Amino acid sequence: EDKVVQSPLSLVVHEGDTVTLNCSYEVTNFRSLLWYKQEKKAPTFLFMLTSSGIEKKSGRLSSILDKKELFSILNITATQTGDSAVYLCAVDSGGGADGLTFGKGTHLIIQP
Amino acid sequence: GAGVSQTPSNKVTEKGKYVELRCDPISGHTALYWYRQSLGQGPEFLIYFQGTGAADDSGLPNDRFFAVRPEGSVSTLKIQRTERGDSAVYLCASSQRGGRFTEAFFGQGTRLTVV
Repeated sequence: EDKVVQSPLSLVVHEGDTVTLNCSYEVTNFRSLLWYKQEKKAPTFLFMLTSSGIEKKSGRLSSILDKKELFSILNITATQTGDSAVYLCAVDSGGGADGLTFGKGTHLIIQP
Repeated sequence: GAGVSQTPSNKVTEKGKYVELRCDPISGHTALYWYRQSLGQGPEFLIYFQGTGAADDSGLPNDRFFAVRPEGSVSTLKIQRTERGDSAVYLCASSQRGGRFTEAFFGQGTRLTVV
């Protein structure tokens, strides 16, 4: 059974801090790993990673994948209160269902 | 439309009743997915449509759950004889390409509460 594990499950930091969110996975047929930000109800897409060692960057957010060790990290630098959200990691494995397998998410709270 | 639209945004129903949840995907998107998200959990795959047909319904929990997409656009998720355990946020997503899940756009979801 495909599995995606995120850590920590929750994290509270102060504005301006840097955070690193972790995602490890065990899947039968890896295609890609995706990160989403979920505020209220709708997850919004952040990154899709398919190759090891290539950093994807968007503003203060960046992410990288290690396909040998089967994990990815999401970094957020100079955090702002608007970064408070649940960050979801998902893997497209195609091994079973044609959807994504999501982790439980990391609930990030940025205090002013 | 500009984004994925789901209606209603909230639905409260009594145990045993029938409910329908609607998803209007982004125009031109052929792939449509339904997910269910319980409190404190990540979204859980239910069903995937490619065009009008259900390409994969392996995530539907039991035969009380059914979904259709008769014209390859709007989809309806139908739940019969609702149970309290069905309470969750039901998310719909659409993407341009089917078969490969690349970048999908999610709707705001429908929060279903069964009392």
